[in-house]
Amino acid sequence: AQSVTQLDSQVPVFEEAPVELRCNYSSSVSVYLFWYVQYPNQGLQLLLKYLSGSTLVKGINGFEAEFNKSQTSFHLRKPSVHISDTAEYFCAVSDFVQGAQKLVFGQGTRLTINP
Amino acid sequence: DAGITQSPRHKVTETGTPVTLRCHQTENHRYMYWYRQDPGHGLRLIHYSYGVKDTDKGEVSDGYSVSRSKTEDFLLTLESATSSQTSVYFCAISERGSEKLFFGSGTQLSVL
Repeated sequence: AQSVTQLDSQVPVFEEAPVELRCNYSSSVSVYLFWYVQYPNQGLQLLLKYLSGSTLVKGINGFEAEFNKSQTSFHLRKPSVHISDTAEYFCAVSDFVQGAQKLVFGQGTRLTINP
Repeated sequence: DAGITQSPRHKVTETGTPVTLRCHQTENHRYMYWYRQDPGHGLRLIHYSYGVKDTDKGEVSDGYSVSRSKTEDFLLTLESATSSQTSVYFCAISERGSEKLFFGSGTQLSVL
């Protein structure tokens, strides 16, 4: 079975500082990896995805992630954060069954930006 | 934003009562999903549908049933609600060949 571990439940950073949110996955087959973001009192939005090809993936709002197969990691980074990046971030691995995409999520990392 | 409406947005109920949550989409997407979100667990898949009348179990399906009689509606039923089912429930949709899920705004359910 696939699983995802997000290594930090909370990450506080100052505005304009860089940030890295860590994600490790477990899968015995080829993986599709995702980062979703959840702003307060909202549903989830796709931030970026890795399906194949280049291991460095760029997403919305200046975020990027690097797929590392040997370390089974998919860490999310941003070089300079803003107050508006305050949210909860979820790493997920996908399993396609009958065309449906069954996502397995990590526990989430709450990113708090301090002025 | 994807056209997904969840109803009700908030519900408080008592242990042992039946509860039905509704997800309605206007995108005509084939696949629909129900997830629950709990602190420390992220989101976990309850049930999903791959077409009208075609559904299957997810990771945490015990105590839940679903139905999909029309493309646009996916119902989640708690036959006899328990306090452990207090959670935020999210509906999501996706289209065949697409790896992207679109999520609704969620339903906050409290079982007292």
